[in-house]
Amino acid sequence: GENVEQHPSTLSVQEGDSAVIKCTYSDSASNYFPWYKQELGKRPQLIIDIRSNVGEKKDQRIAVTLNKTAKHFSLHITETQPEDSAVYFCAAIPLIKAAGNKLTFGGGTRVLVKP
Amino acid sequence: GAVVSQHPSRVICKSGTSVKIECRSLDFQATTMFWYRQFPKQSLMLMATSNEGSKATYEQGVEKDKFLINHASLTLSTLTVTSAHPEDSSFYICSASPGLAGYSGRNEQFFGPGTRLTVL
Repeated sequence: GENVEQHPSTLSVQEGDSAVIKCTYSDSASNYFPWYKQELGKRPQLIIDIRSNVGEKKDQRIAVTLNKTAKHFSLHITETQPEDSAVYFCAAIPLIKAAGNKLTFGGGTRVLVKP
Repeated sequence: GAVVSQHPSRVICKSGTSVKIECRSLDFQATTMFWYRQFPKQSLMLMATSNEGSKATYEQGVEKDKFLINHASLTLSTLTVTSAHPEDSSFYICSASPGLAGYSGRNEQFFGPGTRLTVL
């Protein structure tokens, strides 16, 4: 099965600086890579995703890059703000059928943005 | 759109009792629903996958007789924690997926708000 490793487990940055979270996956069949943000006691919220036919995707201050050959993908947050403080999870999934595709989550990164 | 509700949001029960948690997709039909468990400061651990009208598929190490899952319709799945014990205390989150042909075409999973279970 798929195995997703995520680093670092905690990340403290100064407001305005950039934050980078890296994930690696093991199953070459994985082709969809979502990133979730989870605030304390709340549900995970999808913030950005990327498919395997794209190398990079950007949405305002958030960007994700994917290197299929190396089986790693990264989340980049620029100009960090205190409200970016949360736990971020990467995930990988092989979209090989219409339904029932299981997400495999990374271990999470606790991001703290210091004002 | 793409709203998933979960009920109750918080439950406290005595050891030995059973607790039922409901997961509903409010504005789309979920061909598949997933149940996760999350301990404090840890990642989401998939417990089982349920498809409407069929038996749930449990992940390795998850006791199917303890965690009963019923996916009775395309908008409702229930998780029953039977004979709950303090070690079952956790945050339980469901997600619903419309499948590749569904809501967003991306096979995205939409998460419920979670249920915090505390077993005394």
